Amino acid sequence: SQQGEEDPQALSIQEGENATMNCSYKTSINNLQWYRQNSGRGLVHLILIRSNEREKHSGRLRVTLDTSKKSSSLLITASRAADTASYFCATIMTTDSWGKLQFGAGTQVVVTP
Amino acid sequence: EAGVAQSPRYKIIEKRQSVAFWCNPISGHATLYWYQQILGQGPKLLIQFQNNGVVDDSQLPKDRFSAERLKGVDSTLKIQPAKLEDSAVYLCASSRAGDGYGYTFGSGTRLTVV
Repeated sequence: SQQGEEDPQALSIQEGENATMNCSYKTSINNLQWYRQNSGRGLVHLILIRSNEREKHSGRLRVTLDTSKKSSSLLITASRAADTASYFCATIMTTDSWGKLQFGAGTQVVVTP
Repeated sequence: EAGVAQSPRYKIIEKRQSVAFWCNPISGHATLYWYQQILGQGPKLLIQFQNNGVVDDSQLPKDRFSAERLKGVDSTLKIQPAKLEDSAVYLCASSRAGDGYGYTFGSGTRLTVV
């Protein structure tokens, strides 16, 4: 079974709007990472948040982490057509000695001009 | 810094045939990962190498999949014989230390088994 689950599975918005997606996980983590995947391409690392952090920003991205609820959210502000992609959360569990990333099923985001 | 190189980009084979994928990680990265991503799903780890040793292959279907990492650099993933359900994108990634930071993914190999 997958460690992370994203919600919603799909999201359709217009340019300029904000996009928010959520990730829930099952066990204690060292860190949580968000990746973007354009159709048919590899995964691009967006942002990493450590278990002792609550919020991080990177450009138009804002990530929050609530370890008590075992959940994270990714906010993309002022979305652009180029943000159309699938977004995945991935976790490193505290019980893992070798830094294995465990991915959720992803949120498919479509931004229309 | 050059990225993670993978080849081929696409491969179409018939079931029961064999296929091999190649990965060249970022120079100096000790840890190399192979992930399988079935359409509509997130990537699933198949095997993880630390230098040229295997540290996790718990989800590798060992009756048909094999992988090696020669001299702790390049890696090859093989499927023999392929099944229809092996159709997926095979992603290679590397990191410097295997501590959960600094992952870089390749562009992947899209395998279609017909």
